[in-house]
Amino acid sequence: LAKTTQPISMDSYEGQEVNITCSHNNIATNDYITWYQQFPSQGPRFIIQGYKTKVTNEVASLFIPADRKSSTLSLPRVSLSDTAVYYCLVVVSNDYKLSFGAGTTVTVRA
Amino acid sequence: KAGVTQTPRYLIKTRGQQVTLSCSPISGHRSVSWYQQTPGQGLQFLFEYFSETQRNKGNFPGRFSGRQFSNSRSEMNVSTLELGDSALYLCASTAFGQGGYGYTFGSGTRLTVV
Repeated sequence: LAKTTQPISMDSYEGQEVNITCSHNNIATNDYITWYQQFPSQGPRFIIQGYKTKVTNEVASLFIPADRKSSTLSLPRVSLSDTAVYYCLVVVSNDYKLSFGAGTTVTVRA
Repeated sequence: KAGVTQTPRYLIKTRGQQVTLSCSPISGHRSVSWYQQTPGQGLQFLFEYFSETQRNKGNFPGRFSGRQFSNSRSEMNVSTLELGDSALYLCASTAFGQGGYGYTFGSGTRLTVV
């Protein structure tokens, strides 16, 4: 299973764009990159998943370069409510579990 | 539609006791998985069930067990509780349990062992 490395913490201000980069050097051909968000005392929430290039949904964008050894989650115009822990996961398409790392604590200030 | 429901939300138990936690998945979801979250170890996978069969198990001692019923509801049991079992126990449901997509987590059961 590919190990992921992401920054421990990031600070931002309301209205700014936050980019979290995750490295996954040993990603395999069948693996997907998935991001989850977790607020204190709640379960993680699925944000976005991608295989290559760019994926965008209503809350975030995910950029994956051609070599797929890293990925960047982009949160546009963050607000105080985006303060949370963000997890980057590499998931095998036929795996039955999620393997979480330490995550990135994003703190948004007014 | 209703989300994943975990009961109870909070629990205090004494060392040596056993505990049973319950998880009701989203209607139609047949895969239920369990995770333990602690400040030191983070989120760790316990086990996953699909149609009443355990398909995957994490690296936890045999004191941790689970089961799934025909209506997809799941329970996990921890016997002979230890102080280190104090954690937030999270349950997640998904339609098929593969690929990391679309897992919906409950709010968890906070277990404190004293």
